[in-house]
Amino acid sequence: SAVISQKPSRDICQRGTSLTIQCQVDSQVTMMFWYRQQPGQSLTLIATANQGSEATYESGFVIDKFPISRPNLTFSTLTVSNMSPEDSSIYLCSVEFGGVGETQYFGPGTRLLVL
Amino acid sequence: KQEVTQIPAALSVPEGENLVLNCSFTDSAIYNLQWFRQDPGKGLTSLLLIQSSQREQTSGRLNASLDKSSGRSTLYIAASQPGDSATYLCAVSSKFGNEKLTFGTGTRLTIIP
Repeated sequence: SAVISQKPSRDICQRGTSLTIQCQVDSQVTMMFWYRQQPGQSLTLIATANQGSEATYESGFVIDKFPISRPNLTFSTLTVSNMSPEDSSIYLCSVEFGGVGETQYFGPGTRLLVL
Repeated sequence: KQEVTQIPAALSVPEGENLVLNCSFTDSAIYNLQWFRQDPGKGLTSLLLIQSSQREQTSGRLNASLDKSSGRSTLYIAASQPGDSATYLCAVSSKFGNEKLTFGTGTRLTIIP
């Protein structure tokens, strides 16, 4: 299994500012994923981050709004840029550990409130 | 586009009862299906993973079934306990995947002591 940590665990931000969320894994993994969970809703994939290449974004999400870094096989960051109240969500990173089609493990999430 | 639905959205049952949670998906070309639980303020915990070639998986009091052709999965919880109270999410991984998961809407389960 994989142990995933995220920083910060929660934050309250002013609109127009940006927040960078960190995701650290205790093992080397090829693919990392960033999800958003808006209040009362299920999880939606933002992007897939592979080490050494640009992130692949899902429909409705763009790099200018959610830039992602993946500098090595154990770490990734997601930035929520120029925030608005609609960005208030839980942001979770996950990894697939053990190979293609295996269990995905999730971090504890970052609770973001934008005022 | 894959869509995943879970019914019911919320369920309350007395402690000790057996219960079934349902998950349906529109595109049967899946790679696998996972059941997760989410506790308030916490991340997701994987409960069971069923590969597309399998029909069921069991872990302790949990049993998950998969009927890929009809686009359905069930999660059976035996002898429910208050500690089972959580939101349960199913998620499917698309075939030929990029391994991304499409999540269902979730069932919020409350076990009444």
